[in-house]
Amino acid sequence: AQSVTQLDSHVSVSEGTPVLLRCNYSSSYSPSLFWYVQHPNKGLQLLLKYTSAATLVKGINGFEAEFKKSETSFHLTKPSAHMSDAAEYFCVVRGSNTGKLIFGQGTTLQVKP
Amino acid sequence: NAGVTQTPKFQVLKTGQSMTLQCAQDMNHEYMSWYRQDPGMGLRLIHYSVGAGITDQGEVPNGYNVSRSTTEDFPLRLLSAAPSQTSVYFCASRYTEGNTIYFGEGSWLTVV
Repeated sequence: AQSVTQLDSHVSVSEGTPVLLRCNYSSSYSPSLFWYVQHPNKGLQLLLKYTSAATLVKGINGFEAEFKKSETSFHLTKPSAHMSDAAEYFCVVRGSNTGKLIFGQGTTLQVKP
Repeated sequence: NAGVTQTPKFQVLKTGQSMTLQCAQDMNHEYMSWYRQDPGMGLRLIHYSVGAGITDQGEVPNGYNVSRSTTEDFPLRLLSAAPSQTSVYFCASRYTEGNTIYFGEGSWLTVV
């Protein structure tokens, strides 16, 4: 069975400082992992995905994530936060045989001026 | 190319009423699914379909029905709305072997 845990429900950073959103996963198979962003009252937008290629994945808007099998982690980072990054972020694992998506609980990113 | 289209975007229902949330995609995706989003719980799978004529239950199917008569459409029916069904609903689709999942814009439902 697959599961995903986002370790922080809320993260607050100052504009221009680094962002780290943490995600751990559990999977019996080689997983596909995703990060989605949701701005207030909007749908979900794909930031990046890992599908067993390069372990360091670059996404849109300067975000990237590193797949670490030994740590079962897929943390999302960005070197310098922008005010427009304030949103809800979801780490998602895809079940390999069923294709079902399993969502983490979400992390709210607050960016202070 | 419209992607995944959900209607309505906002709806208020009275307890006991029924309604259908519509979802359509124009990408010829085999796999379609419905999720509900509640604060602090991420998105939870309600029902999904791997192709026309095939549906299956997800994590929270009670109180909802689906059908998949065509590849394009995957409506979600609330049979008798309850306040516990107040939520934001998302439809999603992808190719069976694909890794890119496309989401609709969401439907905000309030049951009073």
